[in-house]
Amino acid sequence: GAGVSQSPSNKVTEKGKDVELRCDPISGHTALYWYRQSLGQGLEFLIYFQGNSAPDKSGLPSDRFSAERTGGSVSTLTIQRTQQEDSAVYLCASSLLQPPNTEAFFGQGTRLTVV
Amino acid sequence: GENVEQHPSTLSVQEGDSAVIKCTYSDSASNYFPWYKQELGKRPQLIIDIRSNVGEKKDQRIAVTLNKTAKHFSLHITETQPEDSAVYFCAASGGYGAQKLVFGQGTRLTINP
Repeated sequence: GAGVSQSPSNKVTEKGKDVELRCDPISGHTALYWYRQSLGQGLEFLIYFQGNSAPDKSGLPSDRFSAERTGGSVSTLTIQRTQQEDSAVYLCASSLLQPPNTEAFFGQGTRLTVV
Repeated sequence: GENVEQHPSTLSVQEGDSAVIKCTYSDSASNYFPWYKQELGKRPQLIIDIRSNVGEKKDQRIAVTLNKTAKHFSLHITETQPEDSAVYFCAASGGYGAQKLVFGQGTRLTINP
């Protein structure tokens, strides 16, 4: 596709349920990032995939959060046993790694609401 | 790990005046510093970036300066217009390219007509 695509755009879930958020990066982009943005707040780093290297998971807030990237392309962020504080917009971004074309392009985000 | 501090959190300027947003970073190995603009309800988009081998970069009304010694960089917007109203985020990353971008907390810029 022409840009980073995320699905669903909006997700309302009950507390305690598991959710899966999907990110389709720009074709050929070897780097993929997940960020979380609470209302009116900044971009909180969650996880970073770089090519075939082990992902940098240092930003995941708890063991309820996990992410996979299959075949170096699509990524899924899974939140288990959701809690109300998980409510936020989850943003995915992708980029090339070789300068100078290293701009990170963001998807439109998934707005998660835990009720 | 890297930590990026951004100031101010809100900024209001008169149309036509200049706006300056400042960021500091902690990791001296960081070498890539992009700035993103996020309009209400939209995704962040890159407006300008700078690498550590350059002290200043300009693109029309937008400029970014970098002081590696002091580990701070700034965004300058001149001749501000209403469409400049948005939230601006600075970021820093180490290694090469846009690797593990760490963002500042954002500055909400309002341009008053």
